[in-house]
Amino acid sequence: SQQGEEDPQALSIQEGENATMNCSYKTSINNLQWYRQNSGRGLVHLILIRSNEREKHSGRLRVTLDTSKKSSSLLITASRAADTASYFCATSRGTSGSRLTFGEGTQLTVNP
Amino acid sequence: SAVISQKPSRDICQRGTSLTIQCQVDSQVTMMFWYRQQPGQSLTLIATANQGSEATYESGFVIDKFPISRPNLTFSTLTVSNMSPEDSSIYLCSVAPGLAGDSEQFFGPGTRLTVL
Repeated sequence: SQQGEEDPQALSIQEGENATMNCSYKTSINNLQWYRQNSGRGLVHLILIRSNEREKHSGRLRVTLDTSKKSSSLLITASRAADTASYFCATSRGTSGSRLTFGEGTQLTVNP
Repeated sequence: SAVISQKPSRDICQRGTSLTIQCQVDSQVTMMFWYRQQPGQSLTLIATANQGSEATYESGFVIDKFPISRPNLTFSTLTVSNMSPEDSSIYLCSVAPGLAGDSEQFFGPGTRLTVL
């Protein structure tokens, strides 16, 4: 069964707007990673945030982690049409080493 | 990071046959994994490919159906055996080059399998 849930399942915005996607999980984690997938291709690694971190940035991406709520968010600022993709969170749990459990994903559409 | 290639990139197969998917990494890595992504769904871990020993399978996946080889630290294969249309999925290998439980995980481009 999937560890995480993501919401929204689908998000449609205009270019230039910000997009926020949320991920919730059920058990304690070592880290949480965000990925992007374009049209059923391979996954592109975006950011890893560790359980003792609260926020990380990478370019237009901002990830937050709230371990007390078992949730994370991915914010994409100033979105572009090229950001159109599916976004997945994945957790690595304490007893599982580096094995990842994926959320259901959010399909983001950025309209030009 | 790591550069990962997979062969084939896609295939269409007849039911009852088997397909072997190859995964090659550009550097030696201890941890390598195989995932399945069914149409319109998220990824599910099939197994951890262990170098020099049998793969470790997740619940719901068995060696007879998904035999895995890991002859060295840069290469692995996944075979999908006795295929049925339900096996139509994208199969992805991944590696975690860093410390166990604390490593970014990088994915190959995937193999899109269609079973008729």
